[in-house]
Amino acid sequence: KAGVTQTPRYLIKTRGQQVTLSCSPISGHRSVSWYQQTPGQGLQFLFEYFSETQRNKGNFPGRFSGRQFSNSRSEMNVSTLELGDSALYLCASSLNVPIGNTDTQYFGPGTRLTVL
Amino acid sequence: DQQVKQNSPSLSVQEGRISILNCDYTNSMFDYFLWYKKYPAEGPTFLISISSIKDKNEDGRFTVFLNKSAKHLSLHIVPSQPGDSAVYFCAAIDSNYQLIWGAGTKLIIKP
Repeated sequence: KAGVTQTPRYLIKTRGQQVTLSCSPISGHRSVSWYQQTPGQGLQFLFEYFSETQRNKGNFPGRFSGRQFSNSRSEMNVSTLELGDSALYLCASSLNVPIGNTDTQYFGPGTRLTVL
Repeated sequence: DQQVKQNSPSLSVQEGRISILNCDYTNSMFDYFLWYKKYPAEGPTFLISISSIKDKNEDGRFTVFLNKSAKHLSLHIVPSQPGDSAVYFCAAIDSNYQLIWGAGTKLIIKP
């Protein structure tokens, strides 16, 4: 079974631009979550989608948005990029929600975004 | 304020010895904890978990201990192997079923 895939793997943008990242979950998984990882900060939760609906949202500004399609694939968009948006963006899929005692998230390799 | 804290950014251990990674949390309502392992250029992978009804969970070389009164958990790796060199994240599940992550500890296994 193929794992979680994220495209692109690396991206360089300049301040003020916008970016769209893509995530394809494991086949059959209906929940997709997005995280931002910066050095020393661990993973910060961005949002979670299930069946095309945003279930939860983290504490990020409105410049960060996302969506999920009927095939469970998800995209996240960051508009008006700032230098501080440089980070590794990780997508994770799980079979169902909520995350229960037997359910775990499976992560993709991430997209490394650099904002110049 | 970080609800899950991993106070050691890095840890260096001799191959064959025990590695102990620590994690503290502030919210006594957390009742399920997970450890993830992350190699460079890869996403985190699930390692081991523990429910608050237990104080220990073991899986091969990996054992997680939970001390609820101290709001502390630890991951023991015995014996440590070179392939264990990675960043280890501690995470807790909150009341909204979201994962709250620690900042990670980089484990280096020396030959």
